[in-house]
Amino acid sequence: DAGVIQSPRHEVTEMGQEVTLRCKPISGHDYLFWYRQTMMRGLELLIYFNNNVPIDDSGMPEDRFSAKMPNASFSTLKIQPSEPRDSAVYFCASSLGQTGGSSEAFFGQGTRLTVV
Amino acid sequence: AQSVSQHNHHVILSEAASLELGCNYSYGGTVNLFWYVQYPGQHLQLLLKYFSGDPLVKGIKGFEAEFIKSKFSFNLRKPSVQWSDTAEYFCAVNAWSTDKLIFGTGTRLQVFP
Repeated sequence: DAGVIQSPRHEVTEMGQEVTLRCKPISGHDYLFWYRQTMMRGLELLIYFNNNVPIDDSGMPEDRFSAKMPNASFSTLKIQPSEPRDSAVYFCASSLGQTGGSSEAFFGQGTRLTVV
Repeated sequence: AQSVSQHNHHVILSEAASLELGCNYSYGGTVNLFWYVQYPGQHLQLLLKYFSGDPLVKGIKGFEAEFIKSKFSFNLRKPSVQWSDTAEYFCAVNAWSTDKLIFGTGTRLQVFP
């Protein structure tokens, strides 16, 4: 397996524009997590899915953020409209569920988003 | 609410020095515990994990961690660091009841030759 695949690797956009980040989890994994990494706040969990269903989106900062998982092999994180403070590295991770929580998470390479 | 604290934000060591990075979590139930490493410009990779059994866990590259349930701690150790260990280290907790995987804020380790 190629691992968790994220695209694009880098995104530069102007304030107010819509941004869509994409993630392909490892085949067979039933958990998918979206994280945001910044210097100030570290690695924040934004939302996670189990079997394509959003379980907890309490980490999504504002209504400008939305995430979907239409099928087991694809997820998107959308920001609209984007703002400069959204600049960060966004990581997607997937894991295989087991009795008692999920097993180790495998991370993608991340998308570095810059909003100017 | 589930949370993870890493006390050391930035650690600077010389090669061959011993390392201990602190991690405490707040959650009363059963948890799985992880340490991840992020080398400069790269994504997070698993160093080691604890699910059950022996509370002393050995991971890759000579790292180990000890789960002390009474202290809600999972500290990372390495007897002798190398320059190549320069990276950011994240402690993470997965609570059985919620499946959330929460990370600490990370500890940046710099090792000088």
